[in-house]
Amino acid sequence: RKEVEQDPGPFNVPEGATVAFNCTYSNSASQSFFWYRQDCRKEPKLLMSVYSSGNEDGRFTAQLNRASQYISLLIRDSKLSDSATYLCVVKEGTGGFKTIFGAGTRLFVKA
Amino acid sequence: ETGVTQSPTHLIKTRGQQVTLRCSSQSGHNTVSWYQQALGQGPQFIFQYYREEENGRGNFPPRFSGLQFPNYSSELNVNALELDDSALYLCASSSKQGGSYNEQFFGPGTRLTVL
Repeated sequence: RKEVEQDPGPFNVPEGATVAFNCTYSNSASQSFFWYRQDCRKEPKLLMSVYSSGNEDGRFTAQLNRASQYISLLIRDSKLSDSATYLCVVKEGTGGFKTIFGAGTRLFVKA
Repeated sequence: ETGVTQSPTHLIKTRGQQVTLRCSSQSGHNTVSWYQQALGQGPQFIFQYYREEENGRGNFPPRFSGLQFPNYSSELNVNALELDDSALYLCASSSKQGGSYNEQFFGPGTRLTVL
């Protein structure tokens, strides 16, 4: 079983759609959780951290369920510029030194 | 721009050769992590350096080694290159405060092709 698993994708959605990405992780001792965005042939960039209480940043909402070891990202009112690969990221180890990325889910938003 | 730079941007080597990749961390950051990203996959953690010491390692063989210098820049060395080592190598810098690591900022990567 992979340490971090994501929906395989790709997701093809029209502008304005709501899209949800799911992610599960295997290590119950994982310490912190993030969503990163990676554009084609670019480096990953932090989109948002994920907290147990859930957190929202504009059109983006992230949720964490520690009991189920499940993380989600919801994008509302999709824009063409949201087209990218979304990477689920989990940190383990003392202080969170080991960063584990999922394989990523590719999103295509069409006009 | 994150302030993290990597060199070279592209590199072509043949099997069995050795390669050194370089990374300059963002100002004020004392921690550097290296990742390997194969096509269509997420980045895989190779190792992390904090204040010139390796303090964490992923599932990579010993032929992957590294260094961190007093100015916190870093090198990744790969010996006896194999075809499967062809990938994008990413460096990320962060700072350690109060026992945990803050947000990582990635460099643009070095694309290595092994023929």
